[in-house]
Amino acid sequence: GQNIDQPTEMTATEGAIVQINCTYQTSGFNGLFWYQQHAGEAPTFLSYNVLDGLEEKGRFSSFLSRSKGYSYLLLKELQMKDSASYLCAVRVLNAGNNRKLIWGLGTSLAVNP
Amino acid sequence: DTGVSQDPRHKITKRGQNVTFRCDPISEHNRLYWYRQTLGQGPEFLTYFQNEAQLEKSRLLSDRFSAERPKGSFSTLEIQRTEQGDSAMYLCASSRTNTGELFFGEGSRLTVL
Repeated sequence: GQNIDQPTEMTATEGAIVQINCTYQTSGFNGLFWYQQHAGEAPTFLSYNVLDGLEEKGRFSSFLSRSKGYSYLLLKELQMKDSASYLCAVRVLNAGNNRKLIWGLGTSLAVNP
Repeated sequence: DTGVSQDPRHKITKRGQNVTFRCDPISEHNRLYWYRQTLGQGPEFLTYFQNEAQLEKSRLLSDRFSAERPKGSFSTLEIQRTEQGDSAMYLCASSRTNTGELFFGEGSRLTVL
């Protein structure tokens, strides 16, 4: 089956660094995405990894290890507005060569002053 | 506004009534997706279109759900004989073929009384 695991909740302090982990067991891996979702709003795209290594984009970085089925999202210099749910999603290719996204349940991050 | 738009943003209905949601994707995007999301969960895939063709429909979707994209532009999602369990946020997203980034609309929140 296809499965994605990420912590349910995390808490961090403003100005600090936090790492949100995501592990996956999927077949037909074709890329991994991180999305941010504020309460009551739609998810917004943060990052995409398809090759091993670190992708950096401002205060946010995302890492992928395909052999370990593991990714993390690193948030630096945390701000209060970073309080949100962070969704890990794995794109897989199915038997019909169609791409499909498998979503994790999300990690709810609370940033405290 | 060139983003994905959904209408209505909120819908309250009585059990047994039919509801219809509309999604207008980003104009140059030929893939359109419908997801359902409940509190504390990741988005749950419902169906997707490439242009006007409905390429995949979730097996979780009952026969009460139907989606169309008649001209390959906007799409509608209809739920017939609504049940309380249908209460959720219905998210529409669009993307270009062969790219992975999904652009989400603000969602249509359904409450079935």
